[in-house]
Amino acid sequence: GDSVTQMEGPVTLSEEAFLTINCTYTATGYPSLFWYVQYPGEGLQLLLKATKADDKGSNKGFEATYRKETTSFHLEKGSVQVSDSAVYFCALRGYQKVTFGIGTKLQVIP
Amino acid sequence: DTAVSQTPKYLVTQMGNDKSIKCEQNLGHDTMYWYKQDSKKFLKIMFSYNNKELIINETVPNRFSPKSPDKAHLNLHINSLELGDSAVYFCASSQMDQTYNEQFFGPGTRLTVL
Repeated sequence: GDSVTQMEGPVTLSEEAFLTINCTYTATGYPSLFWYVQYPGEGLQLLLKATKADDKGSNKGFEATYRKETTSFHLEKGSVQVSDSAVYFCALRGYQKVTFGIGTKLQVIP
Repeated sequence: DTAVSQTPKYLVTQMGNDKSIKCEQNLGHDTMYWYKQDSKKFLKIMFSYNNKELIINETVPNRFSPKSPDKAHLNLHINSLELGDSAVYFCASSQMDQTYNEQFFGPGTRLTVL
């Protein structure tokens, strides 16, 4: 079945540092890939998505590229802010089901 | 305008009780989901309904019973609550027809079983 492997956190960075959160997947067919973010005390919300190979999703300074050859969708941001502190989930969507990674907690310190 | 709403936001109850959580979406989506998130933030799919039909029913105790009276509502009833049921429960909705459609999540219901 489908699976998503995401790096375990927590990840602690200083403000303005570069962020990478790794995500790899296994899936049949042609899934769409997503990053969701969960701020403290809230539900998940879509951060960005990519629907086919070589697509790049971007939002709020975050980027991720759908790499079919390496089955990866790593999340990057050039300069993190304290307000980016949250839990980040990589996910893939197949026909009926969405499969989530374990979530990576990011803490950004001033 | 809240897209996906859940009630109640907090639920504190004793072991053995029966409780319900309600979910409503006003996005016109055809598919709704229930997820359970544990204290380590791990998100587990429990159920999914498409046009009021159950399409995903993961390994969940029979004490959990979802009900979808219409496309816009999906409720979760839990019988004989146990300590291990303590978690945050999220409702979500999406449009099924294309894999690029994302899910929209509610704010969550934090269930505490004493």
